[in-house]
Amino acid sequence: DSVMTQSPDSLAVSLGERATINCKSSQSVFHSPNNKNYLAWYQQKPGQPPKLLIYWASTRESGVPDRFSGGGSGTDFTLTISSLQAEDVAVYYCQQYYTPQFTFGPGTKVDIK
Amino acid sequence: QLQLQESGPGLVKPSETLSLTCTVSGGSISSSNYYWGWIRQPPGKGLEWIGSMYYSGSTYSSPSLRSRVAISVDTSKNQFSLKLSSVTAADSAVYFCGRQQGDNGWPRWVDYWGQGTLVTVSS
Repeated sequence: DSVMTQSPDSLAVSLGERATINCKSSQSVFHSPNNKNYLAWYQQKPGQPPKLLIYWASTRESGVPDRFSGGGSGTDFTLTISSLQAEDVAVYYCQQYYTPQFTFGPGTKVDIK
Repeated sequence: QLQLQESGPGLVKPSETLSLTCTVSGGSISSSNYYWGWIRQPPGKGLEWIGSMYYSGSTYSSPSLRSRVAISVDTSKNQFSLKLSSVTAADSAVYFCGRQQGDNGWPRWVDYWGQGTLVTVSS
């Protein structure tokens, strides 16, 4: 199974500043025949289910603000919030779906500094 | 708008079987190219995928839970269900149901989630 790790465990960013979360997979999730990375990002606020932000590593889900962007390839990925808003306080998870033994990262908590 | 709602007992005794149902509204569980899955989250911890299935019966489950997991679908009721046998306190968690996009015959990301239901395993 692919083991997912995330860094940092938590970060505090000033309003309007950039927040960057890292996600690393123990195995590559890049599929060369279709040139896609099998990775998604979710946002979870307290008491709520996760919300899909990004899939295929960089495709934003419909309705997700464009301040959220995903990047990376192979085993190393990033989620960037370009200008942190108060409503972005949450825990963020990456998930690989390269094989149907889906695994999530441990999560990164984002707070306001 | 698609909605999913989990239902089932909030308290299960150790060694018994946890049974949950997810009712889907606003869409058909028999829609092609969608899978239906279960994910859990122990209090204060991260997400763990349990298993997923297609309405026609194809099923995938976590290797660590496979021997105890059964997922089924009832297309007539637009519901799918989870049974987890021989539960222990370690199975206490919020259980979410979700819809997964299908791609090339396999389930992928979860694009719709239920609100989740807390299940506690205790005597």
